[in-house]
Amino acid sequence: EVQLVETGGGLVQPGRSLKLSCVASGFTFSSYWMYWIRQAPGKGLEWVSSINTDGGSTYYPDSVKGRFTISRDNAENTVYLQMNSLRSEDTATYYCAKDRGYYYSGDRDYWGQGVMVTVSS
Amino acid sequence: DIVMTQTPSSQAVSAGEKVTMSCKSSQSLLYSENKKNYLAWYQQKPGQSPKLLISWASTRESGVPDRFIGSGSGTDFTLTISSVQAEDLAVYYCEQYYDTPYTFGAGTKLELK
Repeated sequence: EVQLVETGGGLVQPGRSLKLSCVASGFTFSSYWMYWIRQAPGKGLEWVSSINTDGGSTYYPDSVKGRFTISRDNAENTVYLQMNSLRSEDTATYYCAKDRGYYYSGDRDYWGQGVMVTVSS
Repeated sequence: DIVMTQTPSSQAVSAGEKVTMSCKSSQSLLYSENKKNYLAWYQQKPGQSPKLLISWASTRESGVPDRFIGSGSGTDFTLTISSVQAEDLAVYYCEQYYDTPYTFGAGTKLELK
């Protein structure tokens, strides 16, 4: 059974940093792209970052580029999201998600339960 | 960026009704080399994570009931629920994965009439 478990959320002041982790199980982690998607309270979904299978390629939207860094440890079946210079508009539930396709398809077939990040003074 | 527009934003339905919802993209999601539309549909129930229903605009995920039907090509797509059940009350999102930044529509919320 595929499982994705996110940790690391919480309340943080504007301008500070936070690192999210997502531990994966139930599939060959090193063969799948991984993603972070977020959802502000009561709002829709926003793609935050993607990482390829070996971690050599990463992608971000302009809203987080230069502030967020995605990485992965295939030996530990874990994907991370380092979030720096946090802003109030980064307040959201952050979901870790697995690519549907072997090596790459672009959509996501499994999502974690999500972790809440609140940026407030 | 590719803009995804979903209509309606909400819809009140009764059990057993046929429901259709629309998703339009600001540019074509059809990749000429493989003839695939890079469009997915997700269902999100209150307090839950999104669930993938349909990939490639019309390919149902394993385990998804056959009352969920995805159709369309290019820039115009539709999700049809042939006979709505109570458990289908949720928000439905379309997403393009043709190009980064991947973008989602604002969602269509199905509510009970």
